Amino acid sequence: AQSVTQLDSHVSVSEGTPVLLRCNYSSSYSPSLFWYVQHPNKGLQLLLKYTSAATLVKGINGFEAEFKKSETSFHLTKPSAHMSDAAEYFCVVSDHGGQNFVFGPGTRLSVLP
Amino acid sequence: EAGVVQSPRYKIIEKKQPVAFWCNPISGHNTLYWYLQNLGQGPELLIRYENEEAVDDSQLPKDRFSAERLKGVDSTLKIQPAELGDSAVYLCASSEGGAEDTQYFGPGTRLTVL
Repeated sequence: AQSVTQLDSHVSVSEGTPVLLRCNYSSSYSPSLFWYVQHPNKGLQLLLKYTSAATLVKGINGFEAEFKKSETSFHLTKPSAHMSDAAEYFCVVSDHGGQNFVFGPGTRLSVLP
Repeated sequence: EAGVVQSPRYKIIEKKQPVAFWCNPISGHNTLYWYLQNLGQGPELLIRYENEEAVDDSQLPKDRFSAERLKGVDSTLKIQPAELGDSAVYLCASSEGGAEDTQYFGPGTRLTVL
C-alpha cells in the first residue's frame, strides 16, 4: 500500500523568498505523484503531476517539483513566494496497481509581507 | 467546460437526522469519487465508482452511509442517521479513467451536525 509523508505541517516564508514544501512517499509500484492546493473555502486545485516522464515537473503559478526515486521524494518548490500562495498544499500518491489516491496530511503555507 | 458540481455547499442538521449530498461530475468522466475531509487533514476516500459500479467502497461506513450512481453520471451520498462525528467536508471528484489519472474536485459540502 502506498503512503505519503509531508514533513512540515506549517511553513512560513516572507514574500519574495523561496518556498520548499517537502513530501516523501512509499509505493509498491511506479507511482504517479501530484500536488494539489486548497485555498480557504475553495476546492482542491491541481498544481502539477508526475507520471513517469520528465523528473522535473513544472506546474501552474511558478511551482515545480522534482521526482527523486532514490530518495522517494517529490518536494514542491517556487523561487519567489507571493501573498496569494498562502494556502494548504497536499502531496498525493497513486500507483499503477489500481490503488486510489492517497493524500498526505497537508502543509499550510503562510506568506508574510 | 463546467467543473464538478456539488450541492448543497453547506448543511446544518441535528444528530440522528438524515442528510444527502449530490454530485455532478465533469461530462465524460467515467470515474467518480467521494471523499471525507476532516478539519486540518487530507481527504480520505469513501467510495470510488467506475461508471455505475462501486469498485472500492472499503472505507465507507456501511451501517450509516450509502451511495449511488444509478446512470453512471451524477451521484448521491447519504448519511442516515447522522452523528456528531460526521461533521466534515464531503468532497466529490471525477477523472477520465483510472486511479493514476488527474482527479478534478468539486467545492465540497460542509456538513455540521449539532
